[in-house]
Parts: sequence; C-alpha cells; structure tokens
Amino acid sequence: QQPVQSPQAVILREGEDAVINCSSSKALYSVHWYRQKHGEAPVFLMILLKGGEQKGHEKISASFNEKKQQSSLYLTASQLSYSGTYFCGTEIMESGGGADGLTFGKGTHLIIQP
Amino acid sequence: EAQVTQNPRYLITVTGKKLTVTCSQNMNHEYMSWYRQDPGLGLRQIYYSMNVEVTDKGDVPEGYKVSRKEKRNFPLILESPSPNQTSLYFCASSPRATVGYTFGSGTRLTVV
Repeated sequence: QQPVQSPQAVILREGEDAVINCSSSKALYSVHWYRQKHGEAPVFLMILLKGGEQKGHEKISASFNEKKQQSSLYLTASQLSYSGTYFCGTEIMESGGGADGLTFGKGTHLIIQP
Repeated sequence: EAQVTQNPRYLITVTGKKLTVTCSQNMNHEYMSWYRQDPGLGLRQIYYSMNVEVTDKGDVPEGYKVSRKEKRNFPLILESPSPNQTSLYFCASSPRATVGYTFGSGTRLTVV
C-alpha cells in the first residue's frame, strides 16, 4: 500500500524553505527519502529508523514520528539544485522479521525559481 | 564501480512478443526490486527479492515474472506484453532492509 505524500507540487523562490510530508496507514520499519531529477534515476537521500529520529544531509533534514507513522522532509534555504521530484519510501516489517521491500509514494514535484 | 546495470535502455516491441529486461548488480546486495514509473502514479513495486530463490509480489505484479537464480541478477520477464505495460522500468538493489537502495538507469519500454 502506497504511502501518501503531500503536497503534490511546490514552487519556491531560491532561498525559501519547504516541507514535504509522508504518511502511512501501517506500522513502519523505516522511511526512506529519494530525489529524482528529470530523465534520471532516483537517488537515495536518507533513511529514518526510530520514532522521533531526525537526520540531516546538508540543508536537507527529515524527521520520523513512529506513533503517527509520519515522516517529513525539510529543505531549508533551497537552492536551484534542489529541484526535482521527491519520493518517500516505506518498509513494513513482515511477520517473519524481514521487510517487504520498499513501497514509494506518488512523489512531490519541487520547482525552485531564481 | 558499484552499480546496478539494466539492459536495454530503450525497447519498442509489439503486443504479445515475449521480452526480458535484465538487471545486474556488482555490490553483493541481498535485496533487489523492480518498479514501474508512470506519470502521476509514482514508483510502483512490481516484484522484490530478499535473496536467491526468494521472490514476492509487489503492488502491480500482473503480467510480469521474475527469477533470482543468482544473487547478482534479477531479470524481469514479460511473457505477453500489452500496451498498458508501456512504462519506465527501474531495477534497484540494497544490501539489506533499512539501507538505501541503488537504482539502475531505467528501461523505457513501449509496447505497440
């Protein structure tokens, strides 16, 4: 079952901040974030594993609320290079202990204007 | 260089003609997955594999087959392609659960 991402699209001026949200109806093992540039493959940004965990990658960070099964990606002081489509991916714990593969949301299109 | 290699990059075929898209990784990864990407629908998982001879259906497995006879290879087979399988396909691999995936460059398939 696909996680739900919001918003579907964001248009920003360079230097502005953005937040992308991801939510699931199932208990999550992990949340991944990826960025895809037009015509290219998705590229891994970061993964979050624990409730309340936060991680950072340059000016891009994320949080994971395990109780609510929600994650948010924060882009601060956005740069032109941040443009692209952002996907969250979720892993759900199987009864046998492994994860069931990575299921992606529909993506959020981020456009950064000069 | 560590990578996931898909072939071919582009393919145009006719309805009903069996085809195979190959995927190979040189990183000794346990997990491998196939996705299709369509406008507005994001990346949808077709099949995934947690190890050799261990495969399972994703969200959209109808019309596809996979096999995992060796750790490095995970081919996607379309026994009788139809126009609704026209899409951009990605193969991806990961060392294990809770580690980021590396994606191949994609295969753009057109079925006429």
